[in-house]
Amino acid sequence: DVQLVESGGGLVQPGGSLRLSCAASGFTFSRYYMHWVRQAPGKGLVWVSRINSDGTTTTYADSVKGRFTISRDNAKNTLYLQMNSLRAEDTAVYYCTRAGGSSWPDNNWFDPWGQGILVTVSS
Amino acid sequence: DIQMTQSPSTLSASVGDRVTITCRASQSVGSWLAWYQQKPGKAPKVLIYKASSLESGVPSRFSGSGSGTDFTLTISSLQPDDFATYYCQQYNSSPLTFGGGTKVEIK
Repeated sequence: DVQLVESGGGLVQPGGSLRLSCAASGFTFSRYYMHWVRQAPGKGLVWVSRINSDGTTTTYADSVKGRFTISRDNAKNTLYLQMNSLRAEDTAVYYCTRAGGSSWPDNNWFDPWGQGILVTVSS
Repeated sequence: DIQMTQSPSTLSASVGDRVTITCRASQSVGSWLAWYQQKPGKAPKVLIYKASSLESGVPSRFSGSGSGTDFTLTISSLQPDDFATYYCQQYNSSPLTFGGGTKVEIK
């Protein structure tokens, strides 16, 4: 079975940093684009970032550009999101999600999703 | 950025009803649109991709249609398991964007 398991969330003060990890299994990780999507409490879904299959190309939402860094280790089947200069508005459940397919344009819809990890930015 | 607008935001329906949710894009996204279902406390699950392609394992009572700027998700006969929030998402261009969601409630 395809599985994505996030870790690394928690409570952090404004201006602080946190690194999320997503362990992937059940598929050939190195063949797929990966994404992070977040959901603030009681709100809708917001795409955060994307990384291509070999990790050489990354894309970010404007709201996190310059503060967040997506990366991957294909040898460890793991996706990361380094989050710096965190703000209260970054408080959300963060989902790791795989691209629906391994070629364009299926790189940009999401299936499956991890269970999500809560990040709370508060003093 | 492409804005995605869903309507209605909330929908009350009964088991067995035919339900239609609309998603409108601020500019053409071709057929590059997906629909997701999310239940409380759970991760979203894809139902439809490329506007009308049913994801494997998704019941056939779900269907999608449309192209360009106007899309619909239809549930032909609402089942108890279908009470959830539904989101559309365009993947024609970055940033990838979602609609605001449609909550389907029990009438």
